[in-house]
Amino acid sequence: GENVEQHPSTLSVQEGDSAVIKCTYSDSASNYFPWYKQELGKRPQLIIDIRSNVGEKKDQRIAVTLNKTAKHFSLHITETQPEDSAVYFCAASGILGSWGKLQFGAGTQVVVTP
Amino acid sequence: DTGVSQNPRHKITKRGQNVTFRCDPISEHNRLYWYRQTLGQGPEFLTYFQNEAQLEKSRLLSDRFSAERPKGSFSTLEIQRTEQGDSAMYLCASSLRTGTGEQFFGPGTRLTVL
Repeated sequence: GENVEQHPSTLSVQEGDSAVIKCTYSDSASNYFPWYKQELGKRPQLIIDIRSNVGEKKDQRIAVTLNKTAKHFSLHITETQPEDSAVYFCAASGILGSWGKLQFGAGTQVVVTP
Repeated sequence: DTGVSQNPRHKITKRGQNVTFRCDPISEHNRLYWYRQTLGQGPEFLTYFQNEAQLEKSRLLSDRFSAERPKGSFSTLEIQRTEQGDSAMYLCASSLRTGTGEQFFGPGTRLTVL
């Protein structure tokens, strides 16, 4: 089955700097890669996703890149703000005509210091 | 209906007791997923339904766990003869089979087994 590894486990950045989180996956059939943000005591919420036919996707300060050959994808947050502090999870899913289960990474605790 | 809801939000039980959780997905969503999340980890897939059909169940899931979605709307997750290792946050998510693939998560049920 799919295995997703995520690094680093914790990331401390100064406000205004960039943050990068990296994930690798094992199943070459995986073709949907979402990123979720989870604030303390709250539910995971999707912040961006990418499909395997796309190499990069941006949404304001957030971008995700995908390298299918190397089987890794990354989340980039630019101009970080204190409200970006949370745990971020990457995930991978193999889609056979419809949307299937997600295999999550272990998470990255991001702390943005003013 | 503004999102996925779960009840109860918290459950404390003694070892050996049975517990049941309920999930109400977003009304038009035909896919429903159960995940378990322990402290410091990403959500772990348990099972999912398309309408009332249970399409997949994790091989890691003990026979003490059972889930139903009798009318293709709400779902219940039952744990029989609870053990201390069952203590976790149980998350429900829903998605639309023909949608973007995004899974919308509920707030979770926090289970504590004493």
